[in-house]
Amino acid sequence: AQKVTQAQTEISVVEKEDVTLDCVYETRDTTYYLFWYKQPPSGELVFLIRRNSFDEQNEISGRYSWNFQKSTSSFNFTITASQVVDSAVYFCALSEEGNNDMRFGAGTRLTVKP
Amino acid sequence: EAEVAQSPRYKITEKSQAVAFWCDPISGHATLYWYRQILGQGPELLVQFQDESVVDDSQLPKDRFSAERLKGVDSTLKIQPAELGDSAMYLCASSSRTSGRPEQFFGPGTRLTVL
Repeated sequence: AQKVTQAQTEISVVEKEDVTLDCVYETRDTTYYLFWYKQPPSGELVFLIRRNSFDEQNEISGRYSWNFQKSTSSFNFTITASQVVDSAVYFCALSEEGNNDMRFGAGTRLTVKP
Repeated sequence: EAEVAQSPRYKITEKSQAVAFWCDPISGHATLYWYRQILGQGPELLVQFQDESVVDDSQLPKDRFSAERLKGVDSTLKIQPAELGDSAMYLCASSSRTSGRPEQFFGPGTRLTVL
């Protein structure tokens, strides 16, 4: 069974601090996909990144970076030099190749204070 | 930029009434999903369509929920009768037909309150 754990319920930082959001997943499949989504107060889920299980290369996009480690079943998300606009709930999600379902974690609420 | 449209954005109804939500996916997206998101939790899949066909509705409470996508474009999710526990955000998402489990694009959601 697929499962995603986001142990951090809420994180609060001051603007310009770096922050890492943790994501740990469980799956029995060898082929799977991992995602991060951002949900601002408006409610719409905004796609940030997709990773397949065969691509462990870390990725950087502007102030965002992702660290995928199969050995620890983790797919952590770091925001460098955080900004107030980064305040949102962030969801990690897992989708197995043989399963239509995309399983979301419970989310981490990030608050960036000015 | 193409977006997933949903209406209404907010719906307040009384217990035992019927409610319906509408979703228009991004043009050309063959796959459409309905999710339910309870406050403080992640979204949970209710039903998935591939064109006009239901691919997965294993988590849809079929005694009161129904979903259709008659022409393979827009979709309607209905609840009849609504119960207090149905209060949640209902999110629609769509994805293209490409392989490799493409990312899903979400609409703004419909926030349902059942009194």
